[in-house]
Amino acid sequence: QKEVEQNSGPLSVPEGAIASLNCTYSDRGSQSFFWYRQYSGKSPELIMFIYSNGDKEDGRFTAQLNKASQYVSLLIRDSQPSDSATYLCAVNIRDNFNKFYFGSGTKLNVKP
Amino acid sequence: EAQVTQNPRYLITVTGKKLTVTCSQNMNHEYMSWYRQDPGLGLRQIYYSMNVEVTDKGDVPEGYKVSRKEKRNFPLILESPSPNQTSLYFCASGSRLFEQYFGPGTRLTVT
Repeated sequence: QKEVEQNSGPLSVPEGAIASLNCTYSDRGSQSFFWYRQYSGKSPELIMFIYSNGDKEDGRFTAQLNKASQYVSLLIRDSQPSDSATYLCAVNIRDNFNKFYFGSGTKLNVKP
Repeated sequence: EAQVTQNPRYLITVTGKKLTVTCSQNMNHEYMSWYRQDPGLGLRQIYYSMNVEVTDKGDVPEGYKVSRKEKRNFPLILESPSPNQTSLYFCASGSRLFEQYFGPGTRLTVT
């Protein structure tokens, strides 16, 4: 059973702060890692993906991957109220890139 | 506009009455997939397709069928729906890098 774990939250941060979202996964064969944002009542939209250990930056977003610790995180700098959403972590595995496993998501509230 | 469309968006049906949820994408993606989303359980993959006539089971395929006769379409079929299939369903399509783009969702209620 592949498991992707996320703290359900809500995680509350003030506007302008750094929001840190975490995700752990059980399968050491996990290959690539994806962060999606889902606004209430809407479909998930891809923020970024990472497959190598280390950091990957895209604008205000930074994904951090540590395969040894089976841990991936998403940092949102200068958080805005518009960042308030549920953030979903997803992984696919080396044995079958076509299969994806999602966490249940972390709800982020950015307070003005 | 690049998009994934699903129909219907909302459906209330009764146990055992066969239904089909359609999914279409205009991005020429080879990869398409169906997910269901339930509170506390997150997104779970039902079926996926790597290309025309190539489909395979995801994590929760029981009670569902799919077909991929054309590249742009990937319908989800519930031959005999049951109340435990009440859920929010998402279709997605993706490129070779698996950057999946999700449709707007179909909220299904089976009574």
